[in-house]
Amino acid sequence: GQNIDQPTEMTATEGAIVQINCTYQTSGFNGLFWYQQHAGEAPTFLSYNVLDGLEEKGRFSSFLSRSKGYSYLLLKELQMKDSASYLCAVRDGNNRLAFGKGNQVVVIP
Amino acid sequence: SAVISQKPSRDICQRGTSLTIQCQVDSQVTMMFWYRQQPGQSLTLIATANQGSEATYESGFVIDKFPISRPNLTFSTLTVSNMSPEDSSIYLCSLYLRDREETQYFGPGTRLLVL
Repeated sequence: GQNIDQPTEMTATEGAIVQINCTYQTSGFNGLFWYQQHAGEAPTFLSYNVLDGLEEKGRFSSFLSRSKGYSYLLLKELQMKDSASYLCAVRDGNNRLAFGKGNQVVVIP
Repeated sequence: SAVISQKPSRDICQRGTSLTIQCQVDSQVTMMFWYRQQPGQSLTLIATANQGSEATYESGFVIDKFPISRPNLTFSTLTVSNMSPEDSSIYLCSLYLRDREETQYFGPGTRLLVL
């Protein structure tokens, strides 16, 4: 089975950096995804990690440690449009995704 | 990348009726999935839609309640049968695509309200 844990909400100031953590316990691991979801919209893909280490994509970076069952998403130079829910999801060997509950980030001026 | 469309985008239905949701992709994909997102919750996988064979359902979901069709590599339907208010949710189709990088995309979702 899958157990994915994320903190629920955080508030940060425009221009700041936030780190969103995700821990997981899974029976099979085939990569970890981060998605962004604005209210009322479908999730949009942000990043994918399957090997240990840091993947950087512009203002967003994602880190994975498979031995620790841990990942984080780093959002730099926060913008108001970054206010959204951030979901981590673990993929198994059959490409099925198990999602955490999501972390709501609120960006304030 | 892939373009995914879903119909209808939203609907309000009466208890006891059924609704069929369509998912169309602009390219052939091997694996398609159906997820549900209940109000205030994260996404839960309902089933894997297999082309030319019966769908594979996750624990807690059954074919009689959520029949799925996948007649070809670009199209799938999910039916929510004998609906109750507890079925009010967003239903999303998803696909796995090995593009320049590994990713899984989601359709825009179908927002269902059951009265």
